[in-house]
Amino acid sequence: NAGVTQTPKFQVLKTGQSMTLQCAQDMNHEYMSWYRQDPGMGLRLIHYSVGAGITDQGEVPNGYNVSRSTTEDFPLRLLSAAPSQTSVYFCASSYSRLNTEAFFGQGTRLTVV
Amino acid sequence: AQTVTQSQPEMSVQEAETVTLSCTYDTSESDYYLFWYKQPPSRQMILVIRQEAYKQQNATENRFSVNFQKAAKSFSLKISDSQLGDAAMYFCARGDTGANNLFFGTGTRLTVIP
Repeated sequence: NAGVTQTPKFQVLKTGQSMTLQCAQDMNHEYMSWYRQDPGMGLRLIHYSVGAGITDQGEVPNGYNVSRSTTEDFPLRLLSAAPSQTSVYFCASSYSRLNTEAFFGQGTRLTVV
Repeated sequence: AQTVTQSQPEMSVQEAETVTLSCTYDTSESDYYLFWYKQPPSRQMILVIRQEAYKQQNATENRFSVNFQKAAKSFSLKISDSQLGDAAMYFCARGDTGANNLFFGTGTRLTVIP
């Protein structure tokens, strides 16, 4: 099993560009989520999904879109990149919402210049 | 605010010694879960230990154990017989049963001195 796979691992964008961060899991988990990690702030939830076709906003959703067309994939779209979106992004999945282990991808370091 | 506080930005421990990392949290929920995650330089987030709030017994996983004080809203992590591979950033996190979010602390960077 690959677990949770995120691509790319590193990305540099220019302000205003758009891109999609990919996340795929092969554990048949219903629950998937995206976090961003900023220095001194821990991880904060951007968007989450409790199953295919169902998504909702987390703590810091502005500037990001998600969709969940399959159980396996949960891409995160940056619509118009801004320097404030420079961060490390983590995708996570778990069997249920919170009472089981969350498996994290290896993260994507995004720099917006 | 439903926060998780880690008051020790950095800690160090001699190899083979014991170290305790502190975590306090704030919640109005009665049913929740607490976690410690390890993040080594590879960036991978790895679950170290989990505690259900309704359980009075402190969780243990090999050299890792917690001291869960529900009334004080405290959840410290004790690492015994520290090893070089324990060097990492450690995050405390809380998840409420009725919510869809994990709330993370700001992390404690642990250095293990040979």
